[in-house]
Amino acid sequence: GAVVSQHPSRVICKSGTSVKIECRSLDFQATTMFWYRQFPKQSLMLMATSNEGSKATYEQGVEKDKFLINHASLTLSTLTVTSAHPEDSSFYICSASSTGANVNSYNEQFFGPGTRLTVL
Amino acid sequence: AQTVTQSQPEMSVQEAETVTLSCTYDTSESDYYLFWYKQPPSRQMILVIRQEAYKQQNATENRFSVNFQKAAKSFSLKISDSQLGDAAMYFCAYNGIAGANSKLTFGKGITLSVRP
Repeated sequence: GAVVSQHPSRVICKSGTSVKIECRSLDFQATTMFWYRQFPKQSLMLMATSNEGSKATYEQGVEKDKFLINHASLTLSTLTVTSAHPEDSSFYICSASSTGANVNSYNEQFFGPGTRLTVL
Repeated sequence: AQTVTQSQPEMSVQEAETVTLSCTYDTSESDYYLFWYKQPPSRQMILVIRQEAYKQQNATENRFSVNFQKAAKSFSLKISDSQLGDAAMYFCAYNGIAGANSKLTFGKGITLSVRP
Protein backbone atom coordinates (compact mmCIF):
# COMPACT_ATOMS: atom_id res chain seq x y z
CA GLY A 1 0.00 0.00 0.00
CA ALA A 2 0.81 3.73 0.08
CA VAL A 3 1.95 4.03 -3.53
CA VAL A 4 2.58 7.37 -5.19
CA SER A 5 3.02 7.80 -8.92
CA GLN A 6 4.36 10.69 -10.97
CA HIS A 7 3.86 11.48 -14.61
CA PRO A 8 5.79 12.00 -16.77
CA SER A 9 9.00 10.38 -15.58
CA ARG A 10 11.02 12.43 -18.04
CA VAL A 11 10.20 15.53 -20.02
CA ILE A 12 12.18 17.69 -22.40
CA CYS A 13 10.77 21.05 -23.39
CA LYS A 14 11.81 24.23 -25.12
CA SER A 15 12.61 27.37 -23.22
CA GLY A 16 9.53 29.52 -22.69
CA THR A 17 7.01 26.68 -22.66
CA SER A 18 5.08 25.37 -19.65
CA VAL A 19 5.28 21.86 -18.29
CA LYS A 20 2.82 20.07 -16.01
CA ILE A 21 3.85 17.25 -13.67
CA GLU A 22 1.21 15.07 -12.02
CA CYS A 23 1.48 13.37 -8.66
CA ARG A 24 -1.08 10.75 -7.69
CA SER A 25 -1.66 8.72 -4.54
CA LEU A 26 -2.88 5.40 -5.89
CA ASP A 27 -4.23 3.59 -2.88
CA PHE A 28 -4.86 6.19 -0.22
CA GLN A 29 -6.23 9.67 0.17
CA ALA A 30 -3.48 12.21 0.54
CA THR A 31 -4.46 15.11 2.75
CA THR A 32 -1.14 16.76 2.05
CA MET A 33 1.29 16.60 -0.83
CA PHE A 34 4.78 17.99 -0.95
CA TRP A 35 6.89 19.05 -3.92
CA TYR A 36 10.66 18.85 -3.85
CA ARG A 37 13.44 19.79 -6.19
CA GLN A 38 16.73 17.93 -6.24
CA PHE A 39 20.00 18.67 -7.99
CA PRO A 40 22.53 15.88 -8.60
CA LYS A 41 24.29 14.65 -5.48
CA GLN A 42 22.33 17.08 -3.32
CA SER A 43 19.53 16.80 -0.83
CA LEU A 44 15.85 17.32 -1.48
CA MET A 45 14.78 20.94 -1.32
CA LEU A 46 11.16 21.47 -0.33
CA MET A 47 9.41 23.82 -2.73
CA ALA A 48 5.87 23.83 -1.41
CA THR A 49 3.27 22.06 0.65
CA SER A 50 -0.25 21.64 -0.65
CA ASN A 51 -3.40 20.61 1.13
CA GLU A 52 -6.42 19.43 -0.78
CA GLY A 53 -8.69 22.31 -1.64
CA SER A 54 -6.35 24.98 -0.31
CA LYS A 55 -3.69 27.21 -1.74
CA ALA A 56 -0.21 25.81 -1.58
CA THR A 57 2.28 27.11 0.95
CA TYR A 58 5.56 27.96 -0.75
CA GLU A 59 8.97 27.91 0.84
CA GLN A 60 10.98 31.08 0.99
CA GLY A 61 12.66 31.84 -2.31
CA VAL A 62 10.31 29.74 -4.44
CA GLU A 63 8.39 31.78 -6.99
CA LYS A 64 4.73 30.90 -6.70
CA ASP A 65 3.93 32.39 -10.12
CA LYS A 66 6.66 30.29 -11.65
CA PHE A 67 5.76 27.02 -9.99
CA LEU A 68 1.99 26.65 -9.92
CA ILE A 69 0.65 23.96 -7.63
CA ASN A 70 -2.87 22.63 -7.66
CA HIS A 71 -4.22 20.02 -5.26
CA ALA A 72 -7.75 19.62 -6.56
CA SER A 73 -8.51 16.21 -5.10
CA LEU A 74 -7.32 13.89 -2.37
CA THR A 75 -5.43 11.80 -4.89
CA LEU A 76 -3.96 14.31 -7.33
CA SER A 77 -1.63 17.28 -7.16
CA THR A 78 -0.03 18.99 -10.12
CA LEU A 79 3.06 21.16 -10.46
CA THR A 80 3.20 23.42 -13.49
CA VAL A 81 6.51 25.03 -14.36
CA THR A 82 5.55 28.13 -16.30
CA SER A 83 7.76 29.75 -18.93
CA ALA A 84 10.46 27.21 -18.25
CA HIS A 85 14.11 28.15 -18.64
CA PRO A 86 17.27 26.02 -18.66
CA GLU A 87 17.91 26.84 -14.99
CA ASP A 88 14.62 25.10 -14.16
CA SER A 89 16.10 21.83 -15.36
CA SER A 90 16.13 19.54 -12.36
CA PHE A 91 14.66 16.43 -10.76
CA TYR A 92 11.26 17.08 -9.23
CA ILE A 93 9.89 14.73 -6.59
CA CYS A 94 6.48 14.69 -4.96
CA SER A 95 5.44 13.00 -1.76
CA ALA A 96 2.09 12.41 -0.18
CA SER A 97 0.97 12.06 3.37
CA SER A 98 -2.23 11.26 5.16
CA THR A 99 -3.54 11.65 8.66
CA GLY A 100 -5.37 8.36 8.34
CA ALA A 101 -4.17 6.00 11.06
CA ASN A 102 -4.38 3.01 8.78
CA VAL A 103 -1.93 4.66 6.42
CA ASN A 104 0.36 6.66 8.57
CA SER A 105 1.23 6.35 12.22
CA TYR A 106 4.71 7.78 11.81
CA ASN A 107 4.06 11.04 9.99
CA GLU A 108 5.56 9.24 7.04
CA GLN A 109 5.67 10.74 3.58
CA PHE A 110 5.37 8.40 0.62
CA PHE A 111 7.48 9.42 -2.33
CA GLY A 112 6.83 9.34 -6.03
CA PRO A 113 9.53 8.13 -8.43
CA GLY A 114 10.38 11.65 -9.58
CA THR A 115 10.33 13.57 -12.85
CA ARG A 116 13.44 14.65 -14.70
CA LEU A 117 12.85 17.97 -16.42
CA THR A 118 15.23 19.19 -19.10
CA VAL A 119 14.68 22.62 -20.58
CA LEU A 120 16.51 23.31 -23.82
CA ALA B 1 13.76 25.48 13.54
CA GLN B 2 14.94 21.93 13.31
CA THR B 3 18.18 21.06 11.60
CA VAL B 4 19.64 17.74 10.51
CA THR B 5 23.38 17.32 10.00
CA GLN B 6 25.13 14.63 8.06
CA SER B 7 28.75 15.64 8.17
CA GLN B 8 30.23 12.84 6.06
CA PRO B 9 29.58 13.38 2.34
CA GLU B 10 30.91 9.98 1.28
CA MET B 11 31.71 6.61 2.77
CA SER B 12 32.90 3.31 1.42
CA VAL B 13 32.49 -0.20 2.79
CA GLN B 14 33.70 -3.61 1.77
CA GLU B 15 31.00 -6.06 0.78
CA ALA B 16 29.84 -8.17 3.78
CA GLU B 17 31.31 -5.67 6.24
CA THR B 18 29.45 -3.30 8.57
CA VAL B 19 29.22 0.45 8.13
CA THR B 20 27.72 3.19 10.28
CA LEU B 21 26.33 6.41 8.86
CA SER B 22 26.17 9.36 11.23
CA CYS B 23 23.37 11.86 11.74
CA THR B 24 22.78 14.51 14.35
CA TYR B 25 19.83 16.84 14.69
CA ASP B 26 18.71 19.80 16.67
CA THR B 27 15.22 20.36 17.99
CA SER B 28 13.39 21.83 20.95
CA GLU B 29 10.57 19.30 20.69
CA SER B 30 10.37 16.38 23.07
CA ASP B 31 8.63 13.99 20.72
CA TYR B 32 9.26 13.54 17.03
CA TYR B 33 10.04 11.01 14.33
CA LEU B 34 13.33 10.20 12.67
CA PHE B 35 13.88 8.43 9.38
CA TRP B 36 16.61 7.10 7.17
CA TYR B 37 15.86 7.11 3.45
CA LYS B 38 17.84 5.41 0.71
CA GLN B 39 18.05 6.89 -2.77
CA PRO B 40 19.59 4.49 -5.28
CA PRO B 41 20.64 5.54 -8.80
CA SER B 42 16.99 5.25 -9.89
CA ARG B 43 16.41 8.20 -7.52
CA GLN B 44 13.30 6.63 -5.97
CA MET B 45 13.26 7.50 -2.28
CA ILE B 46 13.00 4.33 -0.20
CA LEU B 47 12.29 4.31 3.52
CA VAL B 48 14.93 2.24 5.27
CA ILE B 49 14.02 2.62 8.91
CA ARG B 50 12.10 4.90 11.25
CA GLN B 51 12.16 5.69 14.94
CA GLU B 52 9.76 7.41 17.29
CA ALA B 53 11.61 9.57 19.79
CA TYR B 54 9.59 8.41 22.78
CA LYS B 55 10.55 4.80 22.14
CA GLN B 56 13.81 4.00 23.87
CA GLN B 57 14.36 0.78 21.98
CA ASN B 58 16.42 1.20 18.85
CA ALA B 59 14.60 0.30 15.65
CA THR B 60 15.79 -2.65 13.60
CA GLU B 61 14.87 -3.78 10.09
CA ASN B 62 16.75 -6.88 8.99
CA ARG B 63 20.35 -5.76 8.29
CA PHE B 64 19.60 -2.16 9.19
CA SER B 65 19.55 -0.84 12.72
CA VAL B 66 19.83 2.53 14.38
CA ASN B 67 21.64 3.85 17.40
CA PHE B 68 19.27 6.48 18.74
CA GLN B 69 20.76 8.67 21.46
CA LYS B 70 18.05 11.16 22.36
CA ALA B 71 20.06 13.19 24.84
CA ALA B 72 22.90 13.55 22.37
CA LYS B 73 20.44 14.11 19.50
CA SER B 74 22.16 11.47 17.46
CA PHE B 75 20.58 8.97 15.09
CA SER B 76 23.12 6.79 13.31
CA LEU B 77 22.35 4.00 10.86
CA LYS B 78 24.23 0.71 10.95
CA ILE B 79 24.23 -1.50 7.89
CA SER B 80 25.40 -5.03 8.58
CA ASP B 81 26.60 -7.53 6.00
CA SER B 82 26.77 -4.81 3.35
CA GLN B 83 25.61 -5.77 -0.12
CA LEU B 84 26.32 -4.25 -3.51
CA GLY B 85 22.69 -3.16 -3.67
CA ASP B 86 23.20 -1.00 -0.60
CA ALA B 87 25.22 1.45 -2.69
CA ALA B 88 23.14 4.62 -2.75
CA MET B 89 22.71 8.04 -1.28
CA TYR B 90 21.31 7.95 2.27
CA PHE B 91 19.37 10.76 3.87
CA CYS B 92 18.56 11.25 7.52
CA ALA B 93 15.28 13.08 8.10
CA TYR B 94 13.30 14.60 10.98
CA ASN B 95 9.57 15.15 11.33
CA GLY B 96 7.76 16.69 14.24
CA ILE B 97 4.62 15.36 15.85
CA ALA B 98 2.51 18.17 14.49
CA GLY B 99 0.94 15.69 12.18
CA ALA B 100 1.43 13.89 8.91
CA ASN B 101 1.17 17.22 7.19
CA SER B 102 4.27 18.65 8.78
CA LYS B 103 7.46 19.09 6.81
CA LEU B 104 10.35 16.69 6.67
CA THR B 105 13.74 18.19 7.37
CA PHE B 106 16.49 16.36 5.48
CA GLY B 107 20.21 16.20 6.01
CA LYS B 108 22.56 16.79 3.11
CA GLY B 109 22.92 13.08 2.51
CA ILE B 110 25.82 10.69 2.31
CA THR B 111 26.92 8.69 -0.71
CA LEU B 112 27.72 5.11 0.23
CA SER B 113 29.76 2.95 -2.10
CA VAL B 114 30.19 -0.79 -1.61
CA ARG B 115 33.42 -2.43 -2.76
CA PRO B 116 33.09 -5.97 -4.10
